[in-house]
Amino acid sequence: GAVVSQHPSWVICKSGTSVKIECRSLDFQATTMFWYRQFPKQSLMLMATSNEGSKATYEQGVEKDKFLINHASLTLSTLTVTSAHPEDSSFYICSASLAAFRDYEQYFGPGTRLTVT
Amino acid sequence: GQQLNQSPQSMFIQEGEDVSMNCTSSSIFNTWLWYKQDPGEGPVLLIALYKAGELTSNGRLTAQFGITRKDSFLNISASIPSDVGIYFCAGLNRDDKIIFGKGTRLHILP
Repeated sequence: GAVVSQHPSWVICKSGTSVKIECRSLDFQATTMFWYRQFPKQSLMLMATSNEGSKATYEQGVEKDKFLINHASLTLSTLTVTSAHPEDSSFYICSASLAAFRDYEQYFGPGTRLTVT
Repeated sequence: GQQLNQSPQSMFIQEGEDVSMNCTSSSIFNTWLWYKQDPGEGPVLLIALYKAGELTSNGRLTAQFGITRKDSFLNISASIPSDVGIYFCAGLNRDDKIIFGKGTRLHILP
């Protein structure tokens, strides 16, 4: 149980275009979803936390107008990278947790590799 | 901000050897976590530690929560090829956010 999927697994887009990444909890309802970014050979950096039906909370330094997060249902959160630039190329990973879980019990998706040309 | 210093950054070992890696911080964490990440995948939780001094095992993996609550270590006994990957330590801060270390890359020599 506690499976999280992401789609697409990889995407290449041209500079200036927007890209949407989906994160789904497949066998549980996630009250909270998290979006992380990971550069090559680096750690995971939390970008934002989203709760179903409310606005996402962004970490300091993350542009909310550039990284649009929508958590429309208990099983789906989306991250849209708007007007993507090459420096946005990265590995984006989501995780999901259920209120009944312990706080640390975030189940991670397999990640989406974004390459902006 | 809060940072976790993880060492070593990478390890090259022979199959069958034991592995030890650790994580330190200038901040106190009430929960320490160890994850493994395979290439192109998300991290998977290996062990969670809740109390200072706690020693917990998961198969060939053993992790300890330091007495000062500012450090933790992970040991892997009798390493096998599938142990290859990146091991991250992480701490759960007061805001219930997971702070990750930079990872230890484990390589197993043929």
